[in-house]
Parts: sequence; C-alpha cells; structure tokens
Amino acid sequence: AQSVTQLGSHVSVSEGALVLLRCNYSSSVPPYLFWYVQYPNQGLQLLLKYTSAATLVKGINGFEAEFKKSETSFHLTKPSAHMSDAAEYFCAVSSGGGADGLTFGKGTHLIIQP
Amino acid sequence: GAGVSQTPSNKVTEKGKYVELRCDPISGHTALYWYRQSLGQGPEFLIYFQGTGAADDSGLPNDRFFAVRPEGSVSTLKIQRTERGDSAVYLCASSLTGGVGQPQHFGDGTRLSIL
Repeated sequence: AQSVTQLGSHVSVSEGALVLLRCNYSSSVPPYLFWYVQYPNQGLQLLLKYTSAATLVKGINGFEAEFKKSETSFHLTKPSAHMSDAAEYFCAVSSGGGADGLTFGKGTHLIIQP
Repeated sequence: GAGVSQTPSNKVTEKGKYVELRCDPISGHTALYWYRQSLGQGPEFLIYFQGTGAADDSGLPNDRFFAVRPEGSVSTLKIQRTERGDSAVYLCASSLTGGVGQPQHFGDGTRLSIL
C-alpha cells in the first residue's frame, strides 16, 4: 500500500518569498514521486517527477524538489514566489507493481500575498 | 499539439439517471486513466487501461461504474443509477506506454453534478 501526506491544506507566502510545500510518502517499494499543479477549473499539470536518477529534481516554473529517503519526504520549493504561482499543488506517488494509478495527497492551496 | 480532451466539461443530471463521460487521450498514448476528484480532495484513481483492456479497475467504487475503451483510443466512463454522492470532477489522463514512473497528462475534467 502507498500513501501521501501533504502537511498544510493552505500555505500563504509573500510575493518574492521562499515557497515550501511539504510532502511525505509511504511506500513498500522504491517510489516514483510527482508534483502536479492545478489552476482553477483546469486539469493537473506536471511540475516535476522523481524516478531515482537524481535526488534533487528541477521542474518547470522555477520549482524543484528533493527526495530524502531517510525522511520519506519530497518537499517542493521555489526561491521566490510570483503571483502566478497561486494554485493548488498535489504530491503523488506511484509504486508500480502492476497498478500504475497514482496515489495523490489532499493538496495544498498556495496563496501569494502582494 | 492536442492534449487530453474530455467532454462534456459540465454535466448536470438528476439522481437515478445514466451518464456517460468521454475522454480523448493524446494521440499515440496507449495508457489511459480515470480519476475522481471530490471537492477539496486530491484525485482518486478509478481505472487504468492498457490498450483496449482494463489492466486495473480496483478503484471503481461499485458496480454502477464501468468504463470501456473499445478501440484503444477514446474511452467512456459510464455511471448507472447516479447518486448525489457521485457529484465530483472526473479526470482523465494518458501516458505514452503506461510504464511505472511515466508522467500522466491530464485533461481539464468533467464536472458532474447530480441533483
């Protein structure tokens, strides 16, 4: 079984400040991890993915995430927030084993204060 | 290029009715997934197709839900005897071959409202 926990349903940061969105996973096998962003009334857009090649993963729009096996974490960061980053962010895990559906966290709503 | 297309974008119907939701995946993608997203929640996996066959339908909540993909491209999610609890956004995604770790590309979803 696999699961994802996203700490903080809402995160508010000032424009230009560091963005940190937390994700912890549970998986019985080495996981594949993803971050997706969802803008209002739209589907999910892939930000980045971890597939065991490198622990620090760079994605689109200046986001990056670091896989830490000892902490079972895959937190998403961005050095300087923009107003356009305001959206819902989802962490997801896939452990394969024949079932390739993703298991998502409940999401974190990112609010950018001007 | 065209992404994943879902129709209709919105569907309102009465309790007890039958509904069909359609998904057109990215051309050439063999893997197709359906998810359900309730308000304030992350998407929940429903079913995964590899080609024409359902490789994993463990997420379908009950026998009122079923999905088909007869020609390995377009898929239809069918819900019989709809209930108010079925109200949600239904998302479709596709990936190139369905291998573990492959990114899934999502459509904008169908917002289903059961009155």
